[in-house]
Amino acid sequence: DAGITQSPRHKVTETGTPVTLRCHQTENHRYMYWYRQDPGHGLRLIHYSYGVKDTDKGEVSDGYSVSRSKTEDFLLTLESATSSQTSVYFCAISQGTEAFFGQGTRLTVV
Amino acid sequence: KQEVTQIPAALSVPEGENLVLNCSFTDSAIYNLQWFRQDPGKGLTSLLLIQSSQREQTSGRLNASLDKSSGRSTLYIAASQPGDSATYLCAAFSGGGADGLTFGKGTHLIIQP
Repeated sequence: DAGITQSPRHKVTETGTPVTLRCHQTENHRYMYWYRQDPGHGLRLIHYSYGVKDTDKGEVSDGYSVSRSKTEDFLLTLESATSSQTSVYFCAISQGTEAFFGQGTRLTVV
Repeated sequence: KQEVTQIPAALSVPEGENLVLNCSFTDSAIYNLQWFRQDPGKGLTSLLLIQSSQREQTSGRLNASLDKSSGRSTLYIAASQPGDSATYLCAAFSGGGADGLTFGKGTHLIIQP
């Protein structure tokens, strides 16, 4: 894989608790993305970043926030987890050409 | 807003057949188009990247073509094998914004031994 690490890989959390997922890259790519993948919906963009401290919303950003304080790290926070946020979350990186994906984080909200 | 559609949604063929997966996109102003493979419970693996100035790319038994003017890309798999069974996704890259990398919902491919 192209130097992308997502952590944790699996997490079970309770409704109403905050959760932070981490994406770490070693490629120095400019763009970083967070997607969620759900049956019937495919991959949907949550938030993306085009540089340190430069982030913006994607298609399904409600209930999520992000931060990018360093080029290599992009954090996704579920401020108060809900059952509808049970999903598989993928991080991707790109320099504007080929995109590379992490292995995903399976999040279950109970 | 870019929209990407993949047809068919699912495909089951016997081993050895040549097959074509289709991807269409609504906004032809793309920088590139990328094909991915996803195995169950796994991440996405990049297969082929076609720049907007290119017509096709080849890797082994895989060949991907791009026709920007008609908003279409195809992934051709030659001499299919059971190990090719996976979900194949295409993604159109339109720049660095929220529409930057837009995915189709994928084609679930099963190759019967």
